[in-house]
Amino acid sequence: DVKVTQSSRYLVKRTGEKVFLECVQDMDHENMFWYRQDPGLGLRLIYFSYDVKMKEKGDIPEGYSVSREKKERFSLILESASTNQTSMYLCASRVRSGGTDTQYFGPGTRLTVL
Amino acid sequence: QKEVEQNSGPLSVPEGAIASLNCTYSDRGSQSFFWYRQYSGKSPELIMFIYSNGDKEDGRFTAQLNKASQYVSLLIRDSQPSDSATYLCAVNLDRGSTLGRLYFGRGTQLTVWP
Repeated sequence: DVKVTQSSRYLVKRTGEKVFLECVQDMDHENMFWYRQDPGLGLRLIYFSYDVKMKEKGDIPEGYSVSREKKERFSLILESASTNQTSMYLCASRVRSGGTDTQYFGPGTRLTVL
Repeated sequence: QKEVEQNSGPLSVPEGAIASLNCTYSDRGSQSFFWYRQYSGKSPELIMFIYSNGDKEDGRFTAQLNKASQYVSLLIRDSQPSDSATYLCAVNLDRGSTLGRLYFGRGTQLTVWP
């Protein structure tokens, strides 16, 4: 079974705080992704990684950074949280097996920035 | 810009009816197509994928792909109230590439009423 976990389901932070969101997969997947999801805007890709220490900007990287020091863990960092970063954050891991090449999602972290 | 378009809905059908969800995409090079279901407050889960023109059936779900028209659809037969969710269409431009990126539509909200 594909298993992607995220460190928190709900998180409340204050403006200006540094925020770490962690995502872990235990299946040796090379590619991992961070999205945010907002009503009416759908899923938007923030950053992704295709190998340890390798990262690529997605469509909305501003205000975020990422870290991938180990293959199983991909962290999203909000250097100085702002209220417009209140959102649902979803991590995904790429799965290639049985002829499929797709992504499986973690449970999500709902972040509120006050 | 890689566009994936879906009617936002809401689409409302009675229990037992066929629900038809549609998706168009802009990039002719798109190779793989996915349907995810997302219940309110939950993360997306993969329900269908299709690579070749034509129909692919899995239980009550049928995915239909027409690459010439750049159109992919999902039919849900014998709709149940438990099918009420948002359905996301996703497209992979380059199956097997290093990056493994998917492009998502904004989703169609489906309500099945008893």
